[in-house]
Amino acid sequence: ETGVTQTPRHLVMGMTNKKSLKCEQHLGHNAMYWYKQSAKKPLELMFVYSLEERVENNSVPSRFSPECPNSSHLFLHLHTLQPEDSALYLCASSQEGGGFGNEQFFGPGTRLTVL
Amino acid sequence: GENVEQHPSTLSVQEGDSAVIKCTYSDSASNYFPWYKQELGKRPQLIIDIRSNVGEKKDQRIAVTLNKTAKHFSLHITETQPEDSAVYFCAASPKGGGYNKLIFGAGTRLAVHP
Repeated sequence: ETGVTQTPRHLVMGMTNKKSLKCEQHLGHNAMYWYKQSAKKPLELMFVYSLEERVENNSVPSRFSPECPNSSHLFLHLHTLQPEDSALYLCASSQEGGGFGNEQFFGPGTRLTVL
Repeated sequence: GENVEQHPSTLSVQEGDSAVIKCTYSDSASNYFPWYKQELGKRPQLIIDIRSNVGEKKDQRIAVTLNKTAKHFSLHITETQPEDSAVYFCAASPKGGGYNKLIFGAGTRLAVHP
């Protein structure tokens, strides 16, 4: 498969469950991102990894825990979530370096519902 | 930090008309401004972007203009078609160098009526 893939595409979990979202990029990029997309709100940047180092953490609650084992894979570990965490979680990747940003390529997203 | 405001939130046009979406940003250090299109149930996809060393960029029916002094940038779609119907997001990114922190506007839902 090409581009950026995410699994699962849909996830329903209870507040006491633990689950993980997976993202894989096949573009040879060096930076990966997690975004949260809720209804009627802007896309919110959650985490940024550049060269497998976490370089941005936008005050995200500790019930979200990212992991980037290598430049092609990114995980978002979830535990004890709240109903307000229900949203579309999007992964993206880009090739960075130099003085300007570059296009971010998004995955299809994981639609998360917390009961 | 950076803040991006986007207007209007909804826009309805007739096929063949032009559509304009405007965004303002707060951080004068931002130097990269992409526009993404998100169709219903699909991922956001880049349609055009502009860097701060350029004032205008055009790609067929789509153009983006940037006014660094006023800190605003706009998306222009000419000869709109029903397939242009989607949600459009603007974004601003402070100086790169290792990663690309995109701050998004709230989105504009564009409806093009045949």
